[in-house]
Amino acid sequence: DAGVTQSPTHLIKTRGQQVTLRCSPKSGHDTVSWYQQALGQGPQFIFQYYEEEERQRGNFPDRFSGHQFPNYSSELNVNALLLGDSALYLCASSSDIGPDAWSEQYFGPGTRLTVT
Amino acid sequence: AQSVTQPDIHITVSEGASLELRCNYSYGATPYLFWYVQSPGQGLQLLLKYFSGDTLVQGIKGFEAEFKRSQSSFNLRKPSVHWSDAAEYFCAVVPYNQGGKLIFGQGTELSVKP
Repeated sequence: DAGVTQSPTHLIKTRGQQVTLRCSPKSGHDTVSWYQQALGQGPQFIFQYYEEEERQRGNFPDRFSGHQFPNYSSELNVNALLLGDSALYLCASSSDIGPDAWSEQYFGPGTRLTVT
Repeated sequence: AQSVTQPDIHITVSEGASLELRCNYSYGATPYLFWYVQSPGQGLQLLLKYFSGDTLVQGIKGFEAEFKRSQSSFNLRKPSVHWSDAAEYFCAVVPYNQGGKLIFGQGTELSVKP
């Protein structure tokens, strides 16, 4: 059973460019959350997608946007990249059904984004 | 302000020694509580979680945590540390009525001496 997968593993972009990161959730999961982890920090919640809609959003600017597809996979888009966007971007999936709905989030290995 | 605090940035323990990592939260209602571990180059792995009931929670890899409402704490413990436990440990909460939105502490880096 494949866990959460993310692509690409590493990415280098130039300030001002746009980037798209991808995530496939664990089999059976329908909810995807995205987190940004700066070096030496704990992950910060960006947003969560369920039924192809953004359900919750953290304190991130509109440059950060996302999408969820009918197969539950998800994309994170960041426009007008800033140096401060350099971080590890983590995707987590969970299920919205059952007694442990959303409670256990399975994390992918992350995408390391470097903005120069 | 609502927050999750891990007071210790870095802890070093000898292999075989006991371990306690501290976590305090500041929320009006008791949130759901979690401990995650992150090894270098890896994603986050859930060690254990607390929603309600017995305040002593058992997790994977021999870890346990105790919820103390009076101290707003959820400390992680292990009786005997192994070299493979060296990693970054994160305490996290899901605030009441904010299902799925994990709020993480800053993390505690654990080093294990042989």
